[in-house]
Amino acid sequence: EVLLVESGGGLVPPGRSLRLSCAASGFTFDDYAMHWVRQPPGKALEWVSGISWNSGTIAYADSVRGRFTISRDNAKTSLFLHVNSLRAEDTALYYCAKDMTRGSLGYYFDYWGQGTLVTVSS
Amino acid sequence: QSALTQPASVSGSPGQSITISCTGTSSDVGIYNLVSWYQQHPGKAPKLMIYEVTKRPSGVSDRFSGSKSGNTASLTISGLQAEDEADYYCCSYVGSDTLLFGGGTKLTVL
Repeated sequence: EVLLVESGGGLVPPGRSLRLSCAASGFTFDDYAMHWVRQPPGKALEWVSGISWNSGTIAYADSVRGRFTISRDNAKTSLFLHVNSLRAEDTALYYCAKDMTRGSLGYYFDYWGQGTLVTVSS
Repeated sequence: QSALTQPASVSGSPGQSITISCTGTSSDVGIYNLVSWYQQHPGKAPKLMIYEVTKRPSGVSDRFSGSKSGNTASLTISGLQAEDEADYYCCSYVGSDTLLFGGGTKLTVL
């Protein structure tokens, strides 16, 4: 069974940083690209970032480029998102999602975690 | 980049069919057949319902179908059931390894 478990969220003041983690199991982690998708409370989904199986291809949404950094540790089957210079508009539930296609960055998410909540407020 | 445009809400009675549209531009939906649709029930993670415009993942009911014409993709749900009541999001590849979601549509089954 594929399992994605996010952690690392919390309440932080504007300008601070956090590291979000996603522990993956139930599939061959280093075969697949992975993504972060966020959802502000009561609002729509927003794709944030994706990373290919070997970290060779990384992409970011314009809204987070330069402030967020995605990474992965295939040996530990874990995905990370370093979120810096946090703003109120970054407040959201952050989901870890598995890419449906093996290898490079794909376009579809076939498994999702339950999310970790990041609240940016003073 | 602005979100893909979806109607805020649609509704239908049990047994009826409904269609949710997802409008992009000639730079995203119009040129890439890489549109997907996700269903999200309240408090739950999204679920992939359609990928590559028309394909259904294993386990998804054939009451769900996808299509595309020009810059607009569509999700059709036939034989509406109470459990179809949820939020639906489209998502498209928009180039440079990036993806864009729609604003979401709330489906109400009357």
